[in-house]
Amino acid sequence: SYELTQPPSVAVSPGQTARITCSGDGLAKQLTHWYQHRPGQAPVVIIYRDSERPSGIPGRFSGSSSGTTVTLTINEVQAEDEADYFCQSADHTGIYVFGSGTKLTVL
Amino acid sequence: QDQLVQSGAEVVKPGASVRISCKTSGYTFTKFFIHWVRQAPGQGLEWLGWINPGIGTTKYSQSFQGRVSITRDTSATTSYMELRSLTSEDTALYSCARTQAFNYDSVFDLWGQGTLVTVSS
Repeated sequence: SYELTQPPSVAVSPGQTARITCSGDGLAKQLTHWYQHRPGQAPVVIIYRDSERPSGIPGRFSGSSSGTTVTLTINEVQAEDEADYFCQSADHTGIYVFGSGTKLTVL
Repeated sequence: QDQLVQSGAEVVKPGASVRISCKTSGYTFTKFFIHWVRQAPGQGLEWLGWINPGIGTTKYSQSFQGRVSITRDTSATTSYMELRSLTSEDTALYSCARTQAFNYDSVFDLWGQGTLVTVSS
């Protein structure tokens, strides 16, 4: 099975931009989704299909893809954005994989 | 509203098996695959496998092949996950979640509340 690699942690000050990457060999051909995960709560989709944003998700969240790396960008980070973020993808045979997860700390 | 409700916490001995249930409600059971995911303490999410509730076909992660079984009871709109030959490394929060049937590009849009499994002698 393949892996999706994320940085374990990212730390930014309020108002700054946070970028979280997700890398994996299969991502050049597969769509990727991003989830925000707070302790004790169910994960919430914040970006789907690489760059689409669900209704209700603030516009400061965006996604992009280039080759085997996808990036979650959070502009004007707020204290409430502090959470774990993970990417997720699936191959054409139905094998799913989650990224290793990134803890976003708002300083 | 759509819901996934899981069975309660389990404490099991090393070498034993555990079976967790995921009761679905509020939607057509066969229109969504049910996945099982786990998160060990301090670790990320790990995908175990899915079941197509309509016909019962399954797909498992290679990491758990041979040790995990996912089943369903269509009359009870419930999925079950059994994990065998448990070790302390299997201590984790196990969750069920759904994606649209036959659409591998769809998101996990609904999650169960999680079931804590503790493997301890």
